[in-house]
Amino acid sequence: NAGVTQTPKFRVLKTGQSMTLLCAQDMNHEYMYWYRQDPGMGLRLIHYSVGEGTTAKGEVPDGYNVSRLKKQNFLLGLESAAPSQTSVYFCASKSTGTGGQPQHFGDGTRLSIL
Amino acid sequence: DQQVKQNSPSLSVQEGRISILNCDYTNSMFDYFLWYKKYPAEGPTFLISISSIKDKNEDGRFTVFLNKSAKHLSLHIVPSQPGDSAVYFCAASGINDYKLSFGAGTTVTVRA
Repeated sequence: NAGVTQTPKFRVLKTGQSMTLLCAQDMNHEYMYWYRQDPGMGLRLIHYSVGEGTTAKGEVPDGYNVSRLKKQNFLLGLESAAPSQTSVYFCASKSTGTGGQPQHFGDGTRLSIL
Repeated sequence: DQQVKQNSPSLSVQEGRISILNCDYTNSMFDYFLWYKKYPAEGPTFLISISSIKDKNEDGRFTVFLNKSAKHLSLHIVPSQPGDSAVYFCAASGINDYKLSFGAGTTVTVRA
């Protein structure tokens, strides 16, 4: 039972390079999310999706793009990486329902931008 | 503007004693409150939640208390165990909200 799987686990990029982070969930969840975690800041929502083919901006969307072409996958793209995007990125998913339904998280991608 | 605040970045407690983690919120539209636990190099895992119609929810060693008038909730861990050493995040959501608002987290260290 894999749950939420994030690929890759670690990556080092140079400023200006691009990359895509992949999130896959096998729980048939409708909602998916991308967060970044920085020291002293908690988890901040970057983008989210409420269903296949839909995406929406979260709290800190600038510099990121996302796509949800398949229900089980949610991709986060950095078009031109900047040192300020050095962070740990978490993907999460949850089923439909009330706000009380918990989100299920992957183990994160640690990204360093030099 | 952070709507969920955990004002204590860290907490150290002796094994067997009670750990009390606090969380304050500003948005009166929040209806659900959740606590997550996070170990290093792992993702957050759901621990316990409470809805606004209750003032207490208990699950084993973990109890969450909600004071709506004060916009305050707390997580009690009794007794604390070494495996409880982790970062704890408080989160909140509206009744039909897709999204969670997270606090900055509290790092708990349980001393032997």
